[in-house]
Amino acid sequence: SAVISQKPSRDICQRGTSLTIQCQVDSQVTMMFWYRQQPGQSLTLIATANQGSEATYESGFVIDKFPISRPNLTFSTLTVSNMSPEDSSIYLCSVAISSYEQYFGPGTRLTVT
Amino acid sequence: GENVEQHPSTLSVQEGDSAVIKCTYSDSASNYFPWYKQELGKRPQLIIDIRSNVGEKKDQRIAVTLNKTAKHFSLHITETQPEDSAVYFCAATSGTYKYIFGTGTRLKVLA
Repeated sequence: SAVISQKPSRDICQRGTSLTIQCQVDSQVTMMFWYRQQPGQSLTLIATANQGSEATYESGFVIDKFPISRPNLTFSTLTVSNMSPEDSSIYLCSVAISSYEQYFGPGTRLTVT
Repeated sequence: GENVEQHPSTLSVQEGDSAVIKCTYSDSASNYFPWYKQELGKRPQLIIDIRSNVGEKKDQRIAVTLNKTAKHFSLHITETQPEDSAVYFCAATSGTYKYIFGTGTRLKVLA
């Protein structure tokens, strides 16, 4: 597996503002992903962070709302833009070590007031 | 679209008993099935997985079985302990890295 860190671990933000979440891995990985986990719910894939190209978004998620950067093979950011209370969730990054296995970061707990 | 159903949503067992969680997937191209354990306030942790060319896999007290014909797979935990209490998620993927997660099972092991 890999050591994955996220910053911040939690934040409370006002509606209309934006928050950028960072994900750092201790080794180079091909694939990085961003998930959302709403309270008491399962995990939903937001997008695949592609190194050197635009992220690939899943249905229901758009770049204007969740811009993603992937400047190298160990780092990615997810921005939650123009936040509303409905964006209150845990946001997790994950990395694919092999062709199949994914490992998750510790998550960022976001509360929007 | 692709879907993974997971049952039951909650499960209570007495310490020492077995627990079984079942998942059914819709995409016949799915070929990798991981299981994650998520303790309260923690990240999901990969506990066991199975590939489509294998029918069963064991790791100490946990095992996973796969029935490709019926498109379902199950997690079996034997001799449950209080520390097994958590939410368990199954997932399926066709190898494109995109995981489809089940809805989760909250397991409570009663001491």
